[in-house]
Amino acid sequence: TQLLEQSPQFLSIQEGENLTVYCNSSSVFSSLQWYRQEPGEGPVLLVTVVTGGEVKKLKRLTFQFGDARKDSSLHITAAQPGDTGLYLCAGERETSGSRLTFGEGTQLTVNP
Amino acid sequence: GAGVSQSPSNKVTEKGKDVELRCDPISGHTALYWYRQSLGQGLEFLIYFQGNSAPDKSGLPSDRFSAERTGGSVSTLTIQRTQQEDSAVYLCASSSGQAGQPQHFGDGTRLSIL
Repeated sequence: TQLLEQSPQFLSIQEGENLTVYCNSSSVFSSLQWYRQEPGEGPVLLVTVVTGGEVKKLKRLTFQFGDARKDSSLHITAAQPGDTGLYLCAGERETSGSRLTFGEGTQLTVNP
Repeated sequence: GAGVSQSPSNKVTEKGKDVELRCDPISGHTALYWYRQSLGQGLEFLIYFQGNSAPDKSGLPSDRFSAERTGGSVSTLTIQRTQQEDSAVYLCASSSGQAGQPQHFGDGTRLSIL
């Protein structure tokens, strides 16, 4: 059983479209992080959210942490081909020390 | 160094051989993590170091896997008697060790077992 369910697993869209990636769990997380990974490279941190209901914006990317700190979403507005990559959510639980639990990832392809 | 450095970047070996993977964390980072990533998938936690000790090694899949860290810096992950299912990208990350602080990843070692 995957602790963090991420959806969709694959997403192929046209440039200029909007999209949302979801990360859901039945567990509470003390913080949740979103990473982006490109082929042959390690994940790169995009944002960390720690407060229930928190919303953070990074240019065209909007990240939201659920009120109960069990779920999160990533919304991209007017996607660009440069947004193509594997997006990973990862949660840190108070009972698990600082280890991260990762979702399975969303492979996003933005076509020009 | 400026970032987390892992070596080798690629390793191909025959089933049954032992392999050793190396991670050099960001200078000053006390926490070090090993993860495993199968093709196009999320990351699976293996082991966590705080300084030279490993308070959480619950993710190691079998006793063929071991890791050590010396001098609070470099870490090595050793896989003995490799099996084909060990093929994956092994990623190392480091952080300041404080709760909520981000983990910074290396580019990984792609391990292929023939």
